[in-house]
Amino acid sequence: GAGVSQSPSNKVTEKGKDVELRCDPISGHTALYWYRQSLGQGLEFLIYFQGNSAPDKSGLPSDRFSAERTGGSVSTLTIQRTQQEDSAVYLCASSTLTSGSTDTQYFGPGTRLTVL
Amino acid sequence: AQSVTQPDIHITVSEGASLELRCNYSYGATPYLFWYVQSPGQGLQLLLKYFSGDTLVQGIKGFEAEFKRSQSSFNLRKPSVHWSDAAEYFCAVGRRRALTFGSGTRLQVQP
Repeated sequence: GAGVSQSPSNKVTEKGKDVELRCDPISGHTALYWYRQSLGQGLEFLIYFQGNSAPDKSGLPSDRFSAERTGGSVSTLTIQRTQQEDSAVYLCASSTLTSGSTDTQYFGPGTRLTVL
Repeated sequence: AQSVTQPDIHITVSEGASLELRCNYSYGATPYLFWYVQSPGQGLQLLLKYFSGDTLVQGIKGFEAEFKRSQSSFNLRKPSVHWSDAAEYFCAVGRRRALTFGSGTRLQVQP
């Protein structure tokens, strides 16, 4: 079946602009995760959604970052007033997280964000 | 707090040679352990995972890993490396929540 998809694959923006990154998880996966991969920081957890529960936002680096998940499926990560240090690859993953599942996270191809 | 250490930033091996990538973890409970591979410009692909049971796990592309609780290690091995294995490899630990990744090991394969 289809894997995790993300769009756009590349995004170039100017400092101070807002950006939206989209993630479409594997159908039926109840959990969705956002990570950021940058040269200096490696792979960092940002936010986690599980079903209808309140999201775990503990990894968001500042209040300029937010995310939502509509209808338990598609998620959008929004970065307001982008800064150059926001340049990174943003990865989305999904998993089943049902009882007895193996909690394996499957990753999308990522969105490469460049802030000029 | 959980953490993962991959001591080798960069490894070069000859094609056909054996490979071992090291991973050490710190975790408060029985960990779920993963190895992912990332080719340039690509997302992360799962190679293998350990949850419980047999401590030697087999993955895709001929890779295997061994969980050693006493050493808090989960090293990745392959008996004979192919040129297409050149990529970055990430070890990760986590359980039903966000994964914590190591800093990665970049593998270069010489002909």
